[in-house]
Amino acid sequence: AQKITQTQPGMFVQEKEAVTLDCTYDTSDQSYGLFWYKQPSSGEMIFLIYQGSYDEQNATEGRYSLNFQKARKSANLVISASQLGDSAMYFCAMSSVYGNKLVFGAGTILRVKS
Amino acid sequence: NAGVTQTPKFRVLKTGQSMTLLCAQDMNHEYMYWYRQDPGMGLRLIHYSVGEGTTAKGEVPDGYNVSRLKKQNFLLGLESAAPSQTSVYFCASSPTRREQYFGPGTRLTVT
Repeated sequence: AQKITQTQPGMFVQEKEAVTLDCTYDTSDQSYGLFWYKQPSSGEMIFLIYQGSYDEQNATEGRYSLNFQKARKSANLVISASQLGDSAMYFCAMSSVYGNKLVFGAGTILRVKS
Repeated sequence: NAGVTQTPKFRVLKTGQSMTLLCAQDMNHEYMYWYRQDPGMGLRLIHYSVGEGTTAKGEVPDGYNVSRLKKQNFLLGLESAAPSQTSVYFCASSPTRREQYFGPGTRLTVT
């Protein structure tokens, strides 16, 4: 069975600084996908970034980058130059081979301080 | 292009009542999903569909049924609601093994 672990229940970061949100995963699949979603207080789920298990380079999307370390089974999200609007819950998730089903971690609440 | 829509946005049920949540997507996606989110937890998969006419169980399927009669719609039914089914329900769709697109959620309270 697949499992996602996010060990940081809450994080604080100063505006304009970078922050890393941790995610480790467990799976016996050889092919899988790793995702990060943002959930602001309004409740919607916003896709941020995707990393495939066979992708050789770390994924980047604007201020978001995914630090993928396959041997350590970690997929940390790095947010550069934090903004007040980055304050939200962040979920790491993994997809299965069949059906693209997502398994989510418990989430990390990020608060950006001005 | 509305993306993924969910109906209703809020609902209060009494124990034992039934209801159906409707999810609609206009992106011609093959895959559709129903998740529930409980306080302090990530989303958990209830049921999913890999194409019109197909459905499969997810992680927490008990007490729910689904149907995918049309490609664009995915219905989630509660036959006899229980307080443990109080949650926020999210529908999602995806075209491939990339990202899933989520609806705005339905907040359901069972008293």
